[in-house]
Amino acid sequence: DVKVTQSSRYLVKRTGEKVFLECVQDMDHENMFWYRQDPGLGLRLIYFSYDVKMKEKGDIPEGYSVSREKKERFSLILESASTNQTSMYLCASSQPGGLKTQYFGPGTRLLVL
Amino acid sequence: AQKVTQAQTEISVVEKEDVTLDCVYETRDTTYYLFWYKQPPSGELVFLIRRNSFDEQNEISGRYSWNFQKSTSSFNFTITASQVVDSAVYFCALSGQGGSEKLVFGKGTKLTVNP
Repeated sequence: DVKVTQSSRYLVKRTGEKVFLECVQDMDHENMFWYRQDPGLGLRLIYFSYDVKMKEKGDIPEGYSVSREKKERFSLILESASTNQTSMYLCASSQPGGLKTQYFGPGTRLLVL
Repeated sequence: AQKVTQAQTEISVVEKEDVTLDCVYETRDTTYYLFWYKQPPSGELVFLIRRNSFDEQNEISGRYSWNFQKSTSSFNFTITASQVVDSAVYFCALSGQGGSEKLVFGKGTKLTVNP
C-alpha cells in the first residue's frame, strides 16, 4: 500500500513564526504535492515537485516555499506565518506519466494565532 | 482551461437510500483522466477510482458505481443502499495530457447519511 505520512496532525503556531510541515512517502514516487483545503474553496495547489530539488508553483504559492532534498520527503515552509494561513494542509504523491493517481497523507490542521 | 463542477454542495439521506453525486468537467484535451476521492471526517483523501477518457464503460464496485458519459462531460458516482460510514466529503478530479501532473479538483460534495 502507498503510504504518505505528515509530521503532525495538529499544529498551533503564532503569527510571524517560521513553520515547517513535513511529508514523507514510501513508494518511490517522483511527484509530490502540497495543497491547502478551506471550506467552500476545495483543494488548492500550493507547490509541487517532480524531482529532487525541482519545484513548480501551484495556484497559491504566495507566503510559502518548499524544499525537496530527498526523493521521499517534501517540506512546506511558511516563512512568516499569518492568521490567513490557518488551514488544513494536505500532501500527496504520484508517479509521473499516464496514471497520475495522487495518494494523500492524513493532513495537518494548522492554526495560526 | 480545465474545470470540474460539483453542483451539489451538501446532500443528506437516510440510511439505505441510493444517492448520486454529480460531476461535470470541462477540458479541451482528448486524453484525460477522471478521479473520485473520499474524505471521511478523519481528513485523509482516499482514492476511489480512476477512469481514462477512452473507456466509457461504467464500473461497479460493491455498493459503488460510476457512470462516465463523454457526451455530457459527466462522471457521476452512485452509492447504493447508503450506510452511515459513507458519510464524507467526495471530490471529483480531472487531469489532462500535455505533461501536466496536476489534478483539478471540484469543490466537493458533503454527504451525510443519517441512521
